[in-house]
Amino acid sequence: AQSVTQPDIHITVSEGASLELRCNYSYGATPYLFWYVQSPGQGLQLLLKYFSGDTLVQGIKGFEAEFKRSQSSFNLRKPSVHWSDAAEYFCAVGTPPGGGNKLTFGTGTQLKVEL
Amino acid sequence: DAGVIQSPRHEVTEMGQEVTLRCKPISGHDYLFWYRQTMMRGLELLIYFNNNVPIDDSGMPEDRFSAKMPNASFSTLKIQPSEPRDSAVYFCASSVTGELFFGEGSRLTVL
Repeated sequence: AQSVTQPDIHITVSEGASLELRCNYSYGATPYLFWYVQSPGQGLQLLLKYFSGDTLVQGIKGFEAEFKRSQSSFNLRKPSVHWSDAAEYFCAVGTPPGGGNKLTFGTGTQLKVEL
Repeated sequence: DAGVIQSPRHEVTEMGQEVTLRCKPISGHDYLFWYRQTMMRGLELLIYFNNNVPIDDSGMPEDRFSAKMPNASFSTLKIQPSEPRDSAVYFCASSVTGELFFGEGSRLTVL
């Protein structure tokens, strides 16, 4: 079975600083990979996804993520963080084909942005 | 486009009462998922449907939990009888291409 590890429970960055959130997965083949963001009291919103092809994927709100097969990682990055980015971020893995619809989520990383 | 719609948004009930949570998926989506989110356990997949048929209910905690999808536009998650440990946020999500779209959740508090 697949699994996801987000090693950082909390991260604090200053507004304008760069951000990298770590995600490692366990799966025997190339999975489908996702990053979601959750603001307080809200559902999860998709930031970006990787299915195949270019390993650097662009998402909404200026986020990007890079799939590194050799490291089983899919880290999320943003060059300059805005105060509105404060939220909880979840990495998720799905198993293609068809099984990509069933996602396993990491435990999340809570991002705090200092002004 | 309307997203995934869940109701109620908040429910407070007493132990032993029946709770029914409702979900309307996005039109055209053929997968529907129920997740539960707690501080201790994070996001847990309870059950999912494909074309209204339950595919995997291995995440349903116990027989007190049941879920149905009578048609492509409606699903329910029922807890009977409810217990304080069921307090959580319950999310419904739908999908067609592997990407999940989540509702805003139903926050359940069982006293």
